[in-house]
Amino acid sequence: DTQMTQSPSTLSASIGDRVTVTCRASQNIDTWLAWYQQKPGKAPKLLIHKASNLEDGVPSRFSGSGSGTEFTLTISNLQPDDFATYYCHQYDTYPLTFGGGTKVEIK
Amino acid sequence: QVQVAESGGGVVQPGGSLRLSCTASGIAFASYAMHWVRQAPGRGLEWVSVISFNGSKTFYADSVMGRFTISRDNSKNTVFLQVSSLRVDDTALYYCVVPGHGGELEYWGLGTLVTVSS
Repeated sequence: DTQMTQSPSTLSASIGDRVTVTCRASQNIDTWLAWYQQKPGKAPKLLIHKASNLEDGVPSRFSGSGSGTEFTLTISNLQPDDFATYYCHQYDTYPLTFGGGTKVEIK
Repeated sequence: QVQVAESGGGVVQPGGSLRLSCTASGIAFASYAMHWVRQAPGRGLEWVSVISFNGSKTFYADSVMGRFTISRDNSKNTVFLQVSSLRVDDTALYYCVVPGHGGELEYWGLGTLVTVSS
C-alpha cells in the first residue's frame, strides 16, 4: 500500500500569511495526487487534482506542486475562509490512501 | 449539477449488518466508477471501496475486505455498500463519491452515519 505522510499535523497562522503543507508518498505516484479542504461538519471539497491543477472556482491563492513522492500545497495570503483541515490523497494505485490531515488554525 | 445522496446508516450492534445506498444525479451514472470513503468521529479520511462503471471490478481497503460488499444498479443510478460483521471501529460517516475524469474524488455526498455500539 502507498502510505501518505502529511506534515505538519497542525499549523497556526495569521491572515495574510503564506502557508505550506507537505505530503510525502511512500512510493512513486507520478502526479496522481489531489488536495482537499474540509470544514467542520462538511464533506471534503476537492481543491487540486493531478498535483497542480486547480479546480474551477478555487481561489488562485491556492497552488500545488510536486511529482513522484514529494508534494506541497501552498496558500498565499491566507484568508479567514481558509481555516480548515487539508488532506492529500493518492489515486495512483489501489487501495487509495489519504494523508493524516493538516489543521490550519488561527494564530 | 451533480448531486450525491447517501442513506441507510443507523445504530447497529457489533456483528450486525447494514446496507448503505447512494444515488447520484446530474451524471451519466453508468459511465462512472463509484467510491465509498469513511471518516470516524474526529479522525481523518479513509477510502473504503470502489466499483467500476459496469460492476465488473471492485476493490476494497484491507480493513473491510471480506466484510463489506459494494454493488450497483445502473438502472436506478444507485450504488450500495453492504456492511457486515460490523465492529466498533467501523463507526464513521460514510461518504459516497463520484470521481472526476482523472480518478480524483470530485463529487461528495453529505454522508450517512453508521454507529456500531452495544
